Formats: sequence, structure tokens, C-alpha cells
Amino acid sequence: DAGITQSPRYKITETGRQVTLMCHQTWSHSYMFWYRQDLGHGLRLIYYSAAADITDKGEVPDGYVVSRSKTENFPLTLESATRSQTSVYFCASKRSGLDHEQYFGPGTRLTVT
Amino acid sequence: QKEVEQNSGPLSVPEGAIASLNCTYSDRGSQSFFWYRQYSGKSPELIMFIYSNGDKEDGRFTAQLNKASQYVSLLIRDSQPSDSATYLCAGGGGYQKVTFGTGTKLQVIP
Repeated sequence: DAGITQSPRYKITETGRQVTLMCHQTWSHSYMFWYRQDLGHGLRLIYYSAAADITDKGEVPDGYVVSRSKTENFPLTLESATRSQTSVYFCASKRSGLDHEQYFGPGTRLTVT
Repeated sequence: QKEVEQNSGPLSVPEGAIASLNCTYSDRGSQSFFWYRQYSGKSPELIMFIYSNGDKEDGRFTAQLNKASQYVSLLIRDSQPSDSATYLCAGGGGYQKVTFGTGTKLQVIP
């Protein structure tokens, strides 16, 4: 039972490049989330999805694009990476809107040079 | 701006003592509150949630909520070195979007 996985775990990219972070969960959870975690800012919500083909913005969506064509996958794309997007990115999921617990993936450490 | 404020610490307590972690929030519309534990280099994991005024106990952990004062706390009794981690407070008006604090680092000294 893999749970929730993220790939890659580490990524170094250059300014201006497009990069996609992958998130996959095996629980068939309805809700999925993308957060970034930066020193001094804590976890900030980028985008979330209530179901396949339903996505909504979080606190810091600018510069990011998401899609959710299948329930189990929720990729996050940085269209043109900037140094300010250097961060640790966490994907999370939860079973339904009524559930409290979000289950977090292991994270992707992204460095933009 | 909906904010959740925490003291970054570190909070140092001796093994066996009670650790008290505090959090304040600005959005009076927030209804549910969560405490996540995050070990260094790892992902957050939920340890407690609370949505009613008062105390909620689960093993060595007690969450306290005071909506009038917009204050949430987490007490850890009989603290163990394995409790050393960063504790994230989070709150939200609904179940979908929650706002996280920056976390309090707890160090339990053997």
C-alpha cells in the first residue's frame, strides 16, 4: 500500500524552465492539495482539488498550474520557474470534504537556480 | 489576511515534563483547528483536531480551544525525546482550506 507518493523527491532547475511535480495517491481520496513550505512562512496552500476535473486556488496560486484528469493524480506545473519558487512542496489528500485528516506525501525539494 | 500565529521556539522541556504549545488565530470564522507534528525533513502528520470550546484529550495529548480569546493550545504530558519535533497549528472555516502557522519547535531534553 504505497499511500501518497511524490516525484521527483529532489529537483534542481533553471530560471524560466517549466517543471512538473507529480503526486499520486492510491486511496481514491476525493480531495488533494498542494502546499509549499518555506522558512518563516509555514505551509501555504497553492491549489486544491475536490474531485477529478475540479480545482480551486489557494493562498499562493500565481505561477502554478494544476490539473486533475484522474482521481489518483494531481500534478503541479511551474510554467516558468523563478528563484522565489525554490521551496519544499507537499502534496496531501483526504478522503472527503467532511474528513479532518489530510495525509501528506514525503515532499519534493525544488531548487531554482 | 487570515493568520495563525505561533512562537517559533525552540521550546525546551525536560523529559517527563508537560510541554505547552500555543497558537492564536485572527479569523473569527475559523471553526476547526488542527495540530500537526513534523519531524525534521519529514512531512506533517495530524495528531489532534478540535472544533468545540474546551479540552479534548487523546492519550498524552490535550488540545484546548477558546474561541472567545481566539486561542488554541496543545499540551503534551510526560514529554519524551521522541516528541521533539516542530508542531504546526492550523485552522479553517471549512474542512477544505486551512491556514497553517509557522510552527513551534519543541526540544525534549533527556
